[in-house]
Amino acid sequence: EAGVAQSPRYKIIEKRQSVAFWCNPISGHATLYWYQQILGQGPKLLIQFQNNGVVDDSQLPKDRFSAERLKGVDSTLKIQPAKLEDSAVYLCASSLGGRRYEQYFGPGTRLTVT
Amino acid sequence: AQSVTQLDSQVPVFEEAPVELRCNYSSSVSVYLFWYVQYPNQGLQLLLKYLSGSTLVKGINGFEAEFNKSQTSFHLRKPSVHISDTAEYFCAVSDEGTGGFKTIFGAGTRLFVKA
Repeated sequence: EAGVAQSPRYKIIEKRQSVAFWCNPISGHATLYWYQQILGQGPKLLIQFQNNGVVDDSQLPKDRFSAERLKGVDSTLKIQPAKLEDSAVYLCASSLGGRRYEQYFGPGTRLTVT
Repeated sequence: AQSVTQLDSQVPVFEEAPVELRCNYSSSVSVYLFWYVQYPNQGLQLLLKYLSGSTLVKGINGFEAEFNKSQTSFHLRKPSVHISDTAEYFCAVSDEGTGGFKTIFGAGTRLFVKA
């Protein structure tokens, strides 16, 4: 089966610019996650979707980050405006749903804010 | 509150030697436990998971982990490592909280296998 797809793989922007990341999860996976992974740290959950709905966005900086999952499939994560501290790898993952199921991760998007 | 602590940030080891990567967690409810591996410039992939039953869990690439409820630990082991095992390893715990389940990842342990 096809894995989780993400694009772009790399992005370099200047601070105060905007950027968007795209994720296509594994077919049939109800739960979709966006993580931020800063160099040397573990993934930090930004937002979790169950189908179309948001389950957890408690760590999403809502003044600058937004995310949507249209029709319960693809998702986009946007940052506007970007700050230097947003430099990180943004990982998308999907799972069948429920805490017993493992997450399948995409390759990530490496964002550099200069 | 739920948390995951990986006790070693880096573990250097010689090829064919055994290795143990340590993970402790805290949670007030029953948990599911996972180990993921991340190779350079790639996403995370599952090594193994503990859901219930036998406390010794076997995973891919010869790795195994033991769930110890009294010590709230889930240490990862391999009896003989290869150069190709050089990667970052993440322990994760998933439990049920208000509003649904949450999965928390540890900070990671970088395993460096030397020839």
